[in-house]
Amino acid sequence: KAGVTQTPRYLIKTRGQQVTLSCSPISGHRSVSWYQQTPGQGLQFLFEYFSETQRNKGNFPGRFSGRQFSNSRSEMNVSTLELGDSALYLCASTLVGQGASYNEQFFGPGTRLTVL
Amino acid sequence: EDQVTQSPEALRLQEGESSSLNCSYTVSGLRGLFWYRQDPGKGPEFLFTLYSAGEEKEKERLKATLTKKESFLHITAPKPEDSATYLCAVQPPLIQGAQKLVFGQGTRLTINP
Repeated sequence: KAGVTQTPRYLIKTRGQQVTLSCSPISGHRSVSWYQQTPGQGLQFLFEYFSETQRNKGNFPGRFSGRQFSNSRSEMNVSTLELGDSALYLCASTLVGQGASYNEQFFGPGTRLTVL
Repeated sequence: EDQVTQSPEALRLQEGESSSLNCSYTVSGLRGLFWYRQDPGKGPEFLFTLYSAGEEKEKERLKATLTKKESFLHITAPKPEDSATYLCAVQPPLIQGAQKLVFGQGTRLTINP
């Protein structure tokens, strides 16, 4: 079974630009969560999508947004990039349902974003 | 506010030298506690989920345990390939079963041959 895939793996942008990152969850998984990882702040929750709806949002500015498609694939967008947005962006997929194994989150390899 | 603290920040062991990593948390109504392993430049790899105090899970040289306020990841007779950053995360109670995880800063484990 294929794991979580993220594209692109690496991205270099300049301040003020916008960027779109893509995540394909494990087949059959219906929830996609996004996280930002930096050396200073560690892993921080951005938002989660389930059935094309945002269920929860972390403490990030409105420049960070996302969406989910009917096939559960998800995209996140960052507008007006700042130097501090340089980070590893990770997505995680969850099966969702009753029972312990339905709650497990599996991460993709991440997209390394560098803002110059 | 939900909080996760991992200790130590870094740990260096000799091959075969057993030890434990600690994860203490403050969250009202824990839904689950997760352990992940992360290698440099890669995404976190799922290891365990624990749901109630007293629960234990094992995988090869790793064993995770959970109490009401903390979790331990015991590593027995480690090998150099066990070198990685180990992350602990808690899942607080949220409406509609949302999947948010709150992560600790991680423990960077190095096993010397």
